[in-house]
Order: sequence, then structure tokens, then C-alpha cells
Amino acid sequence: GENVEQHPSTLSVQEGDSAVIKCTYSDSASNYFPWYKQELGKGPQLIIDIRSNVGEKKDQRIAVTLNKTAKHFSLHITETQPEDSAVYFCAAFANTGTASKLTFGTGTRLQVTL
Amino acid sequence: DTEVTQTPKHLVMGMTNKKSLKCEQHMGHRAMYWYKQKAKKPPELMFVYSYEKLSINESVPSRFSPECPNSSLLNLHLHALQPEDSALYLCASSQESLTSGTSYEQYFGPGTRLTVT
Repeated sequence: GENVEQHPSTLSVQEGDSAVIKCTYSDSASNYFPWYKQELGKGPQLIIDIRSNVGEKKDQRIAVTLNKTAKHFSLHITETQPEDSAVYFCAAFANTGTASKLTFGTGTRLQVTL
Repeated sequence: DTEVTQTPKHLVMGMTNKKSLKCEQHMGHRAMYWYKQKAKKPPELMFVYSYEKLSINESVPSRFSPECPNSSLLNLHLHALQPEDSALYLCASSQESLTSGTSYEQYFGPGTRLTVT
């Protein structure tokens, strides 16, 4: 099955700096890669995603890049703000043939300090 | 609107109790999911319903029993749980296609924090 590795496990940046979180996946058939933000006591919130026919996608301060050859994708957050502090999960879609199934990375705890 | 609602928010139950978790979405999604999340870990898939039929059971113990009464509702019935089952239980939904390989965004609810005493 699919295996997703995520690094770093914790990341501390100063407000206004950029943050980068990296993930690798194992199944070359995976074709959809979402990123979720989870704040304390809440469910994961989809913040951005990318499909395998696209190399980069941007939404305001958030961008995701995908390298299919190397099987890795990254989340970039620019001009970080304290409200960006949360746990971020990457995921890869594995085709089961009957329903969509996501495999999650282990998570990155991002702390944005003033 | 991408809202998935879950009730209750918190649940404390003894090992001999029977309780149910409820999930609802009104986005017209035809796939619904139950995940279990332990502290500082990613969500782990438990069950997937596609067009109201159970399509994936990730070898979950029988003390967890899912039910999909209609396309908007998903229940998780709990019976004779163990303390190690204490976790955040998340429901999610997505559009679904019968075409294999199609992927759609999954939207999560806020979860039910379950404590088994």
C-alpha cells in the first residue's frame, strides 16, 4: 500500500518568515495530494491540494509543489502569521478501485512566534 | 458550504455501555468515512461508505459497527469498548464516482472526543 513520509515533525519560525514542509510518497499511481491544517481540538481542514497533472498550485500565501519523478511534494507558507500555528498533514490518494482512500503523513507541528 | 457535522462533541462511556456517534453532511456527497485519531498522530481510516454501501473496512474490531441510513447520515455504533479506544473520531465526506481512480476532496467534521473508562 501507499506510504507517506513527512518532514520535519516540528517547525518553529518567526512571524513573517516562510515555512516549508516536505512529503514523499511510495505509490507511483497516486494522483491527488491534499494538505490539511488541524488546530487544537478541531478536525482537519483542507487548505490546498494538487493533482498529478499539475506541478505547482498557489492560493494567496500558500503554495504546493509536486515532483512526480521524485515522488515528493511540498507545502510552502509565506509571510507566516501566528494563526498559521497548527499541525499540518500531507496526504496521498491511493486508488482502491471502489472508493477514494487517503494515506496521511505523520504531521508537522508548526509554531509561528512573534 | 463544506460542512460536516458530528454529535456529540464529547462522550465518556464505560466499557459495558452502548453508544452511537453521528455524522451528517448536506453537500450531496456519496462517500463518507470514519477515521480514528490518537493524540499527535494522523487520522487512521476505519470505514468507507460509497453510495451507502460499505466499501472499505480496515480490519476494525467488531465492537465498532458502522451504519449509513441514507446518503446524508453516517453512524458509528460502539459496544464493549476498551480504554485504548479512547481517541478523536472523525467523520469525513467526499463526492464519489464509480469510475475507479477518480479522487475528490475530503472534508472533515470537528470530531467526537471519546473517552472510555
